[in-house]
Amino acid sequence: KQEVTQIPAALSVPEGENLVLNCSFTDSAIYNLQWFRQDPGKGLTSLLLIQSSQREQTSGRLNASLDKSSGRSTLYIAASQPGDSATYLCAVRQDFGNEKLTFGTGTRLTIIP
Amino acid sequence: NAGVTQTPKFRILKIGQSMTLQCTQDMNHNYMYWYRQDPGMGLKLIYYSVGAGITDKGEVPNGYNVSRSTTEDFPLRLELAAPSQTSVYFCASSIQITPLHFGNGTRLTVT
Repeated sequence: KQEVTQIPAALSVPEGENLVLNCSFTDSAIYNLQWFRQDPGKGLTSLLLIQSSQREQTSGRLNASLDKSSGRSTLYIAASQPGDSATYLCAVRQDFGNEKLTFGTGTRLTIIP
Repeated sequence: NAGVTQTPKFRILKIGQSMTLQCTQDMNHNYMYWYRQDPGMGLKLIYYSVGAGITDKGEVPNGYNVSRSTTEDFPLRLELAAPSQTSVYFCASSIQITPLHFGNGTRLTVT
């Protein structure tokens, strides 16, 4: 059974710093991995999706990497801003056609002005 | 561009009552999903649909029912509400293998 872990559960960093969020999964035979952002009282917003054949995806100040063999993904945020404060979740899809995503419990990020 | 719209935003139910959580999307997505999010836990899939007239169980379907009569709508029915169903419910949609689009959620309390 796939398990997805995100450590730490909470992280506070000063504005302007670069930071890395971690996501680990136990079964490396995944189809793709998604990173989401969740603001308080809101739904999830998809940030980046990495297919199993890809090593990384970039969008603006965000860069997500995937190392299937080690069961890890990282989300790198450059030059953090207070508006980046949110909970970040990762989720893996096991197979093409398997509609179940396995979610991590998230990392709550606070950027200190 | 509304995206995925969920109603109501909040609801309090008494044990044994029933209700329907509404979800509609205007992106012509064929895939729709219902998830629940409990404090400190990851999201769990309740039911999903790959198109009108087709639904299937997810990880935690007990106590819930769904229907998909149109591409746009995917209501979630709770029969005989129980305290264990206190949660935040999210509806999502996608075209297969593309990122999911989520609604803003319905916060349900069963007392």
